[in-house]
Amino acid sequence: AQSVAQPEDQVNVAEGNPLTVKCTYSVSGNPYLFWYVQYPNRGLQFLLKYITGDNLVKGSYGFEAEFNKSQTSFHLKKPSALVSDSALYFCAVRIGGATNKLIFGTGTLLAVQP
Amino acid sequence: GAGVSQSPSNKVTEKGKDVELRCDPISGHTALYWYRQSLGQGLEFLIYFQGNSAPDKSGLPSDRFSAERTGGSVSTLTIQRTQQEDSAVYLCASSWGGLNNEQFFGPGTRLTVL
Repeated sequence: AQSVAQPEDQVNVAEGNPLTVKCTYSVSGNPYLFWYVQYPNRGLQFLLKYITGDNLVKGSYGFEAEFNKSQTSFHLKKPSALVSDSALYFCAVRIGGATNKLIFGTGTLLAVQP
Repeated sequence: GAGVSQSPSNKVTEKGKDVELRCDPISGHTALYWYRQSLGQGLEFLIYFQGNSAPDKSGLPSDRFSAERTGGSVSTLTIQRTQQEDSAVYLCASSWGGLNNEQFFGPGTRLTVL
């Protein structure tokens, strides 16, 4: 079965430090991977995606993600965290075939301390 | 507006009543999706529309759930004879045609079944 795993329920980081939010996937065929962020009482906002090409993908708000095929990972990173980055982050994989539905991970709460 | 809109933002209903949730996608987006977000189940796919057709309804949890889309635009998700386990945030998303495009999410409708 195709799936996404986010092994950490919460990540704590001090403002100004680099952050990593982990994501691993299991799909048949080529993966199409996405990161979304959800602020309290808000819908999901698209951050970035990997479809093909360069393994390092840059997205909104200074975030980037590295696609690693051998490790089946797509970790989200930012060189210097901001308090305003505190939110719930979801990794997702697009399922192939006739549907464009996304399968989401369980989410990781990022808490950036001032 | 420029984004996906959903109404109502909050809905409280009594067990056994029917509810309708509305989604207005981004203008020009041919694909529309419904997801459900709940504490116990995370983010779950419900149904996918391409135009007015629904090629993937696999996520609808029971025959009490139905959805339609008219004019390639507005979509309505209907839940009949609501149950307490239907309580969740219902999220709508839309995207351009083409399977690699990111989905843009609305703010959601929080449904509470008493």
